[in-house]
Amino acid sequence: NAGVIQTPRHKVTGKGQEATLWCEPISGHSAVFWYRQTIVQGLEFLTYFRNQAPIDDSGMPKERFSAQMPNQSHSTLKIQSTQPQDSAVYLCASSSPGQGPETLYFGSGTRLTVL
Amino acid sequence: QQQVRQSPQSLTVWEGETAILNCSYENSAFDYFPWYQQFPGEGPALLISILSVSDKKEDGRFTIFFNKREKKLSLHIADSQPGDSATYFCAASASSGSWQLIFGSGTQLTVMP
Repeated sequence: NAGVIQTPRHKVTGKGQEATLWCEPISGHSAVFWYRQTIVQGLEFLTYFRNQAPIDDSGMPKERFSAQMPNQSHSTLKIQSTQPQDSAVYLCASSSPGQGPETLYFGSGTRLTVL
Repeated sequence: QQQVRQSPQSLTVWEGETAILNCSYENSAFDYFPWYQQFPGEGPALLISILSVSDKKEDGRFTIFFNKREKKLSLHIADSQPGDSATYFCAASASSGSWQLIFGSGTQLTVMP
């Protein structure tokens, strides 16, 4: 089991450019989560899919950010017109929902730097 | 509004000592409290968790103490080892609501040899 795979590990973009981050959840996991981690804000929830359907995107900035899960094996987080304040580590996690509390399995993250 | 608070922000202990990390919360509906451990360059990983029906949970050197009345919990790491040096996040969720885990801001633990 390779765990949650996130690519790229590091991405540097210029202000105004687009960034696409990729996540491959653990095989068989039906829930995928995106978080953003910064020193100042800590771990911030962005969005959540279950069985590929968007369930909760309450943490997503209303403009420029979008997430998709076109199939069970990957999800993408797209940031249009990137700004320096978007610089952060973007973490993807997956889980296998059951009867009780879910355990989130995180990837190693993508460090986005916007110059 | 910070729903889950952690203290201290950073903690340094000597090898062999017990490290105590604190967490408090505001939402009475929270009933599940996992602690995640994160090493540099990695994502957080579940370390130990407790449900609100319990007041203590042990797993090896790691123990959670939970006080529902005061809405406080703590993670005790006994016989701390340099390999325990990491950032520890307290989180909370409510089984009656959405799945969503709310994370605290973390405690950076350093264990000196």
